[in-house]
Formats: sequence, C-alpha cells, structure tokens
Amino acid sequence: GENVEQHPSTLSVQEGDSAVIKCTYSDSASNYFPWYKQELGKRPQLIIDIRSNVGEKKDQRIAVTLNKTAKHFSLHITETQPEDSAVYFCAASIREKLTFGTGTRLTIIP
Amino acid sequence: DVKVTQSSRYLVKRTGEKVFLECVQDMDHENMFWYRQDPGLGLRLIYFSYDVKMKEKGDIPEGYSVSREKKERFSLILESASTNQTSMYLCASTLAGNYGYTFGSGTRLTVV
Repeated sequence: GENVEQHPSTLSVQEGDSAVIKCTYSDSASNYFPWYKQELGKRPQLIIDIRSNVGEKKDQRIAVTLNKTAKHFSLHITETQPEDSAVYFCAASIREKLTFGTGTRLTIIP
Repeated sequence: DVKVTQSSRYLVKRTGEKVFLECVQDMDHENMFWYRQDPGLGLRLIYFSYDVKMKEKGDIPEGYSVSREKKERFSLILESASTNQTSMYLCASTLAGNYGYTFGSGTRLTVV
C-alpha cells in the first residue's frame, strides 16, 4: 500500500519568516495530494491540494509543489502569522482513499 | 454549512465492551471513512465505504468492523474494546471523484 513520510515533525519559525514542510510518497499511482491544518482540539481542515497533472499551486500565502519523478511534494507558507501555528498533515490518494503523513507541529514565534 | 456529525465527543468504555461510534453526513456523499489519530502516528485508515452496504478494510482493521445501511450513516464497531484502542476517532466523507475530505469533530475514546 501507499506510504507517506513527512518531515520535520516539529518546526519553529519567527513570525514573518517562511515555513516549508516536505513529504514523500511511495506509490506512483497516487494522483491527489492534499494538505490539512489541524488546530488544537479541532478537526483537520483542507487548506490546499494539488493533482498529479500540476506542478505547483498557490493560494495567497500558501503554495504546494509536486515532483512526480522524485515522488515528493512540499507545503510552503510565506509571511507566517501566529494563526498559522497548528499541526499540518500531508496526504496522498489513490482513488478517494487518503494515506496521511505523521504530521508537523508548526509553531510561529512572535 | 455542510456537516459530518459524530455522535459523541468523549466516550469512556470498559475493556471487553462492544462500542459503537456513529457518523452521519448531510451532504449526500458516496464515500465515508474512519480514521484513528494517535500522537506521532498521524491519521491511520481503519475502514472505508464507497457506497451503501459496501465496506473495505483500511490499513489497521483488526479489532474493528463497520456498518453502512444508509448512505448518510457510517458506524464503527469495536467488537471487544481493548486499552490499545484508546484514541481519537475521526470520521470523514467525500463525493465520488472529489477527494477533498470533510471531517467530523472526532470522538475521543478511552478504554479502561
């Protein structure tokens, strides 16, 4: 089955700086790669996603890049703000079944 | 606002009990999923269903079963609860062909 690895497990950045979280996947048949944000005590929320026929997607301060050849994808958050502090999960999908990474706890330092 | 509703936010059960976790969605979604979330392990798929009365095993189905008698409801059953099933359980749903999950708010189950 699919295996998704996510790094780093924790990340602290100064407010205003950029944060990058990286994931790799194992199954070349995966074709959809979402990112979820989970704030403390809340449910995961989809923040951005990318399909395998696209190399990069951007939505305001967040962007995702995908390298199908290397089987890795990354989340980039620019101009970080305190409200970006949360746990972020990457995932890879075959059909509609998502396999998640183990999560990155992002802390924004004021 | 679309919703995935899990019947209990917190649940405490005794070892050996049969436990039912209920999930209901009001979005007419075909696909429904049960995950458990543990610190450092992320979200792991227990069971999923692409249609009524259909079910498929996920990555960690041992000790669990599911039921989907109606499109909007997907139940997770712990046949005989054990302490290693203490966890946060998350239900999710999505339309066929649309991979963006909507999650429920979760059920934190403690087995004592």
